[in-house]
Amino acid sequence: DQQVKQNSPSLSVQEGRISILNCDYTNSMFDYFLWYKKYPAEGPTFLISISSIKDKNEDGRFTVFLNKSAKHLSLHIVPSQPGDSAVYFCAASDIVSGNQFYFGTGTSLTVIP
Amino acid sequence: DVKVTQSSRYLVKRTGEKVFLECVQDMDHENMFWYRQDPGLGLRLIYFSYDVKMKEKGDIPEGYSVSREKKERFSLILESASTNQTSMYLCASSSPSEAFFGQGTRLTVV
Repeated sequence: DQQVKQNSPSLSVQEGRISILNCDYTNSMFDYFLWYKKYPAEGPTFLISISSIKDKNEDGRFTVFLNKSAKHLSLHIVPSQPGDSAVYFCAASDIVSGNQFYFGTGTSLTVIP
Repeated sequence: DVKVTQSSRYLVKRTGEKVFLECVQDMDHENMFWYRQDPGLGLRLIYFSYDVKMKEKGDIPEGYSVSREKKERFSLILESASTNQTSMYLCASSSPSEAFFGQGTRLTVV
């Protein structure tokens, strides 16, 4: 059973606009969340993270929002650039007791110049 | 600079061959993972290991085995490769707060 879900397999956005990628989770024990970016033929690279004690974390053009009551997180990219075109994975873990990260199925973002 | 290194970027193997995918990390992490990535299915966990000589099945272990004889090395073994094992294979090691990935191995079974 998929504990982390990304319900949008793809997203297209105009350059300069905001990209919003969504992620839902089912396990209320998850307390640490990450976003990874993956280009074709490369391994995923870490983008940004957030712990459950926060509801927002910002790093340059990237902001992650966490809504614990809704078990939902989102990644905002503003402004979107063509180089942001990639597959984005969200991941969750129970940092205290868990040994593994649970990944979503990914959202393929295309930023149109 | 943290490093997870997979032995091959691209591999082509024949059906029925035994295939070894090697992964080495230099961060002294206890946890290591093997995933495969397929279009529309995201990252699926095959096996993981949280200590030397320890292994745990992930979501899709069938047709695979693993070996962790040393802390830094985690090997994925396809005992008898089949065409449905054609995929991108990703190795990762993790601290409690982050997973680091290798560059991936694109395996084609013909």
